[in-house]
Amino acid sequence: EIVLTQSPATLSLSPGERATLSCRASQSVSSYLAWYQQKPGQAPRLLIYDASNRATGIPARFSGSGSGTDFTLTISSLEPEDFAVYYCQQRSNWLALTFGGGTKVEIK
Amino acid sequence: EVQLVESGGGVVQPGGSLRLSCAASGFTFDDYAMHWVRQAPGKGLEWVSLISGDGGSTYYADSVKGRFTISRDNSKNSLYLQMNSLRTEDTALYYCAKGYCTNGVCLYYFDYWGQGTLVTVSS
Repeated sequence: EIVLTQSPATLSLSPGERATLSCRASQSVSSYLAWYQQKPGQAPRLLIYDASNRATGIPARFSGSGSGTDFTLTISSLEPEDFAVYYCQQRSNWLALTFGGGTKVEIK
Repeated sequence: EVQLVESGGGVVQPGGSLRLSCAASGFTFDDYAMHWVRQAPGKGLEWVSLISGDGGSTYYADSVKGRFTISRDNSKNSLYLQMNSLRTEDTALYYCAKGYCTNGVCLYYFDYWGQGTLVTVSS
């Protein structure tokens, strides 16, 4: 099983600031990594797929980068609606899809 | 508009069984793989199972293999999860999720999710 480790666990920032979230894989997943956003009481929403491609309707302030074992989700300027929990997910081993433990982006 | 509506959750004793259902609408159901993903209270996401569009291929997380069975009825646009030999650690909100396809290629990500159905395993 590929283990995904997200850091930090919590990120405290103010609206307008830049957020940088990390996801590290226990072995290479090539570029087969996605990012999701989950708000309280809601289902997750797909933001980024295959490391750097924005899903339909996702604002340009969200960007993804990385390959192999190290990946980053960047939110260029936080909007009030961006405070949420973010998860990464790999599809490299599609017989055992796995998620990271999540990063909570909270208002400072 | 894509909609996924789960049902069938509830409280069950350890060792018991439940069958979850997911009613899909707004897309051509048999064109897409479908998944179950769960989330224990206050915890992260865990992929549970996958079924291909035609129902011919199924895959499971090791944690549920041999106990859970995924199936679908394309004539009814419905997805199911039969859960047997339930354990306390199976307590979670169970989401039905649609497989993501783009530019004619289907990837093992999830682009639409239901609101989930809560399964509580407790004596």
